[in-house]
Amino acid sequence: AQTVTQSQPEMSVQEAETVTLSCTYDTSESDYYLFWYKQPPSRQMILVIRQEAYKQQNATENRFSVNFQKAAKSFSLKISDSQLGDAAMYFCAYRSAETSYDKVIFGPGTSLSVIP
Amino acid sequence: ETGVTQTPRHLVMGMTNKKSLKCEQHLGHNAMYWYKQSAKKPLELMFVYSLEERVENNSVPSRFSPECPNSSHLFLHLHTLQPEDSALYLCASSQDPRLAGGTDTQYFGPGTRLTVL
Repeated sequence: AQTVTQSQPEMSVQEAETVTLSCTYDTSESDYYLFWYKQPPSRQMILVIRQEAYKQQNATENRFSVNFQKAAKSFSLKISDSQLGDAAMYFCAYRSAETSYDKVIFGPGTSLSVIP
Repeated sequence: ETGVTQTPRHLVMGMTNKKSLKCEQHLGHNAMYWYKQSAKKPLELMFVYSLEERVENNSVPSRFSPECPNSSHLFLHLHTLQPEDSALYLCASSQDPRLAGGTDTQYFGPGTRLTVL
């Protein structure tokens, strides 16, 4: 079975600085998708960024980018120019491309604080 | 309203009560999900409905009973719960990736904070 690990329960970053959140996963599959979801306090969970495993190019979305290392099974999220609104729980997630429905496996999350 | 809505937002119930959680999606999606989010634990997928058919049940206790009357509505019926069932229950929807135009991005509701006394 696939697993997703986030080894940093809590992180903090100074406003306008850069922070990297770590995620590793375990799978025997070659085709899959990886996600970072953000859950602000008392607000809805939203998708931050998505990566297709067959693409070598790292996904980027404005200030958010990933470092996808397929061989190492690592999928870290880099947030540049951190803003107060970035404070949230961040979840790394995995989806197999081989399942017939959208079963997503989530990591335990990293709580990110942004210091003014 | 847009997106995914859930009611109630907060619920306190005794172990002998029967209650229901409601989820409604306004995105035209055809797949809906129930997740349980407990403190210090990863999100747990409870149920998946795709095209109104249940396709996944991760050995959830029978005191949780889902119902999906149509593609826009999803219910979670609760009865004789235990204190350890206290958690945030999240609903999500997506367009089934097996269908044309489908993606694997899930859209989440705000959740129902459930406390079982």
